[in-house]
Amino acid sequence: SAVISQKPSRDICQRGTSLTIQCQVDSQVTMMFWYRQQPGQSLTLIATANQGSEATYESGFVIDKFPISRPNLTFSTLTVSNMSPEDSSIYLCSVRSNTGELFFGEGSRLTVL
Amino acid sequence: ILNVEQSPQSLHVQEGDSTNFTCSFPSSNFYALHWYRWETAKSPEALFVMTLNGDEKKKGRISATLNTKEGYSYLYIKGSQPEDSATYLCALILTGGGNKLTFGTGTQLKVEL
Repeated sequence: SAVISQKPSRDICQRGTSLTIQCQVDSQVTMMFWYRQQPGQSLTLIATANQGSEATYESGFVIDKFPISRPNLTFSTLTVSNMSPEDSSIYLCSVRSNTGELFFGEGSRLTVL
Repeated sequence: ILNVEQSPQSLHVQEGDSTNFTCSFPSSNFYALHWYRWETAKSPEALFVMTLNGDEKKKGRISATLNTKEGYSYLYIKGSQPEDSATYLCALILTGGGNKLTFGTGTQLKVEL
């Protein structure tokens, strides 16, 4: 198993500002995944963060809006840029185990006013 | 767009009741199905990874079955307890999908005393 720490756990932000979410894993992993769950919606993959290369974004998500850093094998950040109320969501980072299931952080609940 | 549907959306049961809910998915190109439990203010936690048609998996009072030919999986909880209250998510992986999980919107279970 992996222990994943995320911060902040929650925040209330003003429209137009940006917020960076940090994710720390207790072991080295090749890929880290960033998910979002908007209210009433399913958990949706934003991007895959690979160490030493640019993140791979899913359809509908772009680097300018969600820049990601992956400076080493245990850490990643996701920035939500120029926030609007539609960005109010729970953001989760995760890693995959050897048997395929995902381990998640506890999530960062963002409210944008 | 890949549709993974879960029903019901929410469910209230009494302590001691047994319950079940459904995850439906397209039957073509199936690779694997995951079930997760997500308690409020905690990390989503993997329950089962299912890959074979006819699979049945069990963890304590919780079990799951898989029918890949007709495209559904059932999750059963026997003798529900208040600590079972959570959102239960299923997620599908398709062959050739690069291990990407597509989540359903979840079934929110509340077990009342």
